[in-house]
Amino acid sequence: ETGVTQSPTHLIKTRGQQVTLRCSSQSGHNTVSWYQQALGQGPQFIFQYYREEENGRGNFPPRFSGLQFPNYSSELNVNALELDDSALYLCASMDRGQETQYFGPGTRLLVL
Amino acid sequence: GNSVTQMEGPVTLSEEAFLTINCTYTATGYPSLFWYVQYPGEGLQLLLKATKADDKGSNKGFEATYRKETTSFHLEKGSVQVSDSAVYFCALRGNNNDMRFGAGTRLTVKP
Repeated sequence: ETGVTQSPTHLIKTRGQQVTLRCSSQSGHNTVSWYQQALGQGPQFIFQYYREEENGRGNFPPRFSGLQFPNYSSELNVNALELDDSALYLCASMDRGQETQYFGPGTRLLVL
Repeated sequence: GNSVTQMEGPVTLSEEAFLTINCTYTATGYPSLFWYVQYPGEGLQLLLKATKADDKGSNKGFEATYRKETTSFHLEKGSVQVSDSAVYFCALRGNNNDMRFGAGTRLTVKP
């Protein structure tokens, strides 16, 4: 069974640019959530996708958007990057009927 | 809205000491409660969970009991090991499926 994978592992961007982060769900999982974890903080919920539709959103502006594909993989897109967007971005997948989310290793984004 | 308040760290203990990390929550409805652990350089891993009041989650010697009357889910271990050194996150999942995490508590266990 393959776990949750994310790409890339590290990324450097400049302010104002756009970024796309990718996540492959664990096999059999139909729900994907994205989190932002700033240094020394707990993860903050960005949004969740179920069957290709957004199914819950945290307190993040519209420039944070996402997609889920038929194979349940997912993308997180961030437009107009700001310095404060520098963080570890975590993807987690689960089977909607279960309680437990399984996290990927994250993508560390640095905005200069 | 839902929130989790977690004991501030860092916590430093000697091997075989007793561990308690406090966690309290605010939520509407009946959330599920979790403890996640993040070892150095790794992603978050589920440590244990409880889905209803008075449930006790346990794993690898760690325990936590869902206390609705005190809105708490404190993490305990009777005898910590050096390998338990990590950051521990308390979290809740509410009725709208979003997960709320505490700020994390860094535990260092010294030999």
